[in-house]
Amino acid sequence: QKEVEQNSGPLSVPEGAIASLNCTYSDRGSQSFFWYRQYSGKSPELIMFIYSNGDKEDGRFTAQLNKASQYVSLLIRDSQPSDSATYLCAVNHNSGNTPLVFGKGTRLSVIA
Amino acid sequence: SQTIHQWPATLVQPVGSPLSLECTVEGTSNPNLYWYRQAAGRGLQLLFYSVGIGQISSEVPQNLSASRPQDRQFILSSKKLLLSDSGFYLCAWDRGRGDTQYFGPGTRLTVL
Repeated sequence: QKEVEQNSGPLSVPEGAIASLNCTYSDRGSQSFFWYRQYSGKSPELIMFIYSNGDKEDGRFTAQLNKASQYVSLLIRDSQPSDSATYLCAVNHNSGNTPLVFGKGTRLSVIA
Repeated sequence: SQTIHQWPATLVQPVGSPLSLECTVEGTSNPNLYWYRQAAGRGLQLLFYSVGIGQISSEVPQNLSASRPQDRQFILSSKKLLLSDSGFYLCAWDRGRGDTQYFGPGTRLTVL
């Protein structure tokens, strides 16, 4: 059973701080890793994906992947109140057409 | 560019009534298609996925069914709704093999 674990939160950070969201996964063969943001009442939207060990930066967002430790994280620099949302981690084994496995999400609250 | 549509956006149905939710994707061919349900304050639950016309995989046994009559059309149905069927229903697509998954706007279903 492939599992993806996230702390449900809420994670509260002050405006301008760095928010750190973590995700662990059980399947060592996982190849693709995704972070989605979901505002209340809306559908998830992709923030970024990462395939290789190390860091990947996109604006204020940095994804970090450590396959040996089976965790992936998302850092949000200079957090803004508009970043307040639920962040979903998703993992894919990349073996043919197997579906993504989603974590239950971490709720982030950025306090002005 | 690719677009995914879902309708209706909201639906209120009595217990025991039938259900039909439709999802269509534009701008791509032979996508993988997915139906998820998200109960209030909960994570995504994968209900069905399809890798081709007429090919449906069910993840959770329940009173729902799915069909894929055309390449870019995915339909979620029920003959008799239960109270527990209430939730936010999301359709998604991807190209498979670990590719990014994109979500439609969702249908909010309330069963009374």
